[in-house]
Amino acid sequence: ETGVTQTPRHLVMGMTNKKSLKCEQHLGHNAMYWYKQSAKKPLELMFVYNFKEQTENNSVPSRFSPECPNSSHLFLHLHTLQPEDSALYLCASSQAGASGVGNTQYFGPGTRLTVL
Amino acid sequence: AQSVTQLGSHVSVSEGALVLLRCNYSSSVPPYLFWYVQYPNQGLQLLLKYTTGATLVKGINGFEAEFKKSETSFHLTKPSAHMSDAAEYFCAVSDDTGRRALTFGSGTRLQVQP
Repeated sequence: ETGVTQTPRHLVMGMTNKKSLKCEQHLGHNAMYWYKQSAKKPLELMFVYNFKEQTENNSVPSRFSPECPNSSHLFLHLHTLQPEDSALYLCASSQAGASGVGNTQYFGPGTRLTVL
Repeated sequence: AQSVTQLGSHVSVSEGALVLLRCNYSSSVPPYLFWYVQYPNQGLQLLLKYTTGATLVKGINGFEAEFKKSETSFHLTKPSAHMSDAAEYFCAVSDDTGRRALTFGSGTRLQVQP
């Protein structure tokens, strides 16, 4: 595997379900990100992890719970979601702290989430 | 705070015509600038980036962009559009201080007419 992978690619869940999204990066990076991309809205940064520590939470509702067990893996745990949470969830990674590269982020293919 | 403005949420060109997608940024420190492309049901793919050095940057698929500090712009161009260029394009900015996170524009959807 190369780059950034995400599983599952598609997920349909009810509002009472609990599910998790998984992201894995094979680039040796130390920073990982979750973004939400909704129809007709700009890309929204949700969470940032640097060296496994959460450094940014952009006022994301608590029904989204991230987990970063190591620099290569990032999870997004979902519970009691709402239909408006349906979106494409994108994971990205970068080499945090490396100057001169501008924090180039590399994205996974995304998980298309539908909440019924 | 940084910001990015992409003029035109939709751009339509004919196959073989020039592609010009506009991006203006706001940054209080020297910026790093990026263009990403997103094909339907896929993630974002890096097209090109400007960090330092030459202000004309060449990317993949024949695209290029020029950093113009005086105009705070980083417009994306391609001399001749191909049907496969139809996608959504995002401009983003970051810098080498503080937060370092990317700030994205709202995107421009490019349509290529046969």
